Amino acid sequence: DAKTTQPNSMESNEEEPVHLPCNHSTISGTDYIHWYRQLPSQGPEYVIHGLTSNVNNRMASLAIAEDRKSSTLILHRATLRDAAVYYCILRDLGTGGADGLTFGKGTHLIIQP
Amino acid sequence: EAGVAQSPRYKIIEKRQSVAFWCNPISGHATLYWYQQILGQGPKLLIQFQNNGVVDDSQLPKDRFSAERLKGVDSTLKIQPAKLEDSAVYLCASSQKGLLAQNIQYFGAGTRLSVL
Repeated sequence: DAKTTQPNSMESNEEEPVHLPCNHSTISGTDYIHWYRQLPSQGPEYVIHGLTSNVNNRMASLAIAEDRKSSTLILHRATLRDAAVYYCILRDLGTGGADGLTFGKGTHLIIQP
Repeated sequence: EAGVAQSPRYKIIEKRQSVAFWCNPISGHATLYWYQQILGQGPKLLIQFQNNGVVDDSQLPKDRFSAERLKGVDSTLKIQPAKLEDSAVYLCASSQKGLLAQNIQYFGAGTRLSVL
């Protein structure tokens, strides 16, 4: 899977929007952009994914740059429960069925009350 | 819907001992994964099963780690003998069979292993 670059940590205030950036300059045309997050003492959980168009779901929004070399995960109104490590992961169509996730170090999001 | 179940939650052993972890995936999920997460790092894939067959075990240290999914449902991961550097959280995940690049993986809470 292609490499992604994320800031090590970010801090935001409760009830404010949060924009988490991810750079993926070597993304290929078939790579999907996935976001997972990991709350303290829990396993990772899926947040959102997209290919070319911006995506919205109940948890977050994903904004994808026109050249697809970067994307931004948007939490519209952060709560203390959103404090977690957020991982940006690229996934291609896979060969032979192998589709394990390749995690980087992610962004540690700190929410201040 | 029940999530991915793992046991035990915590395990403390001495080096050179053996240990086993158990995972029960979400009902109907054909694909099962084991990941290792060392403190301060993201999870790393150890092995992927499709039903009871191995799809990818390229990062599994086969001299000491083994895994099986005999009936295509539950899975066990074993370490024998354990080393200090095996101290980590072992995560199990499962997903439905489908378009690979869009598969969502569902993770259990993990087993925290401490090797003394």
